[in-house]
Amino acid sequence: KQEVTQIPAALSVPEGENLVLNCSFTDSAIYNLQWFRQDPGKGLTSLLLIQSSQREQTSGRLNASLDKSSGRSTLYIAASQPGDSATYLCAVGGNTDKLIFGTGTRLQVFP
Amino acid sequence: KAGVTQTPRYLIKTRGQQVTLSCSPISGHRSVSWYQQTPGQGLQFLFEYFSETQRNKGNFPGRFSGRQFSNSRSEMNVSTLELGDSALYLCASRNPDEAFFGQGTRLTVV
Repeated sequence: KQEVTQIPAALSVPEGENLVLNCSFTDSAIYNLQWFRQDPGKGLTSLLLIQSSQREQTSGRLNASLDKSSGRSTLYIAASQPGDSATYLCAVGGNTDKLIFGTGTRLQVFP
Repeated sequence: KAGVTQTPRYLIKTRGQQVTLSCSPISGHRSVSWYQQTPGQGLQFLFEYFSETQRNKGNFPGRFSGRQFSNSRSEMNVSTLELGDSALYLCASRNPDEAFFGQGTRLTVV
């Protein structure tokens, strides 16, 4: 059974810092991995999708990497801003359309 | 291009009642999935539909059901509501690999 863990559960940093969020999964037989952002009481916004054959994906200040063999993915946020404050979720996709989510990292960026 | 639309945004129901939630996927997307999000359990998969057929189902009781129409719009129904059904219900459509979520329906059972 696939299990997804995110560390740390919460993170508070000053504006301008570069930071790394971690996502671990127990079964390396994944189809893809997706990172999302969720603002309080809102839905999920897709940030990056990494296919199992890829090593990383980049979008603006965000970079996500994937190491299937070690069961890890990281989301790197460069030059953090207060607007980046949100909960970040990773989700693993298998050979069905079902996504298995981590518990999330709650990020606060203060001015 | 419109995103995933869920209606209603908020619902308050009494224990024992039933509720129907609606989801309109992004135009052209044929797969619709439903998730329940609670503070204690996080995001949990309910079911997934493709071309009006349920392809996958999560570990939820039979009170939770769904369907998909020929235009890919989907509904989920919860019967005999319990207090523990209070949650944010999220719908996602896929393109086919990337999932896009709606804003969710906040259901409160009193």
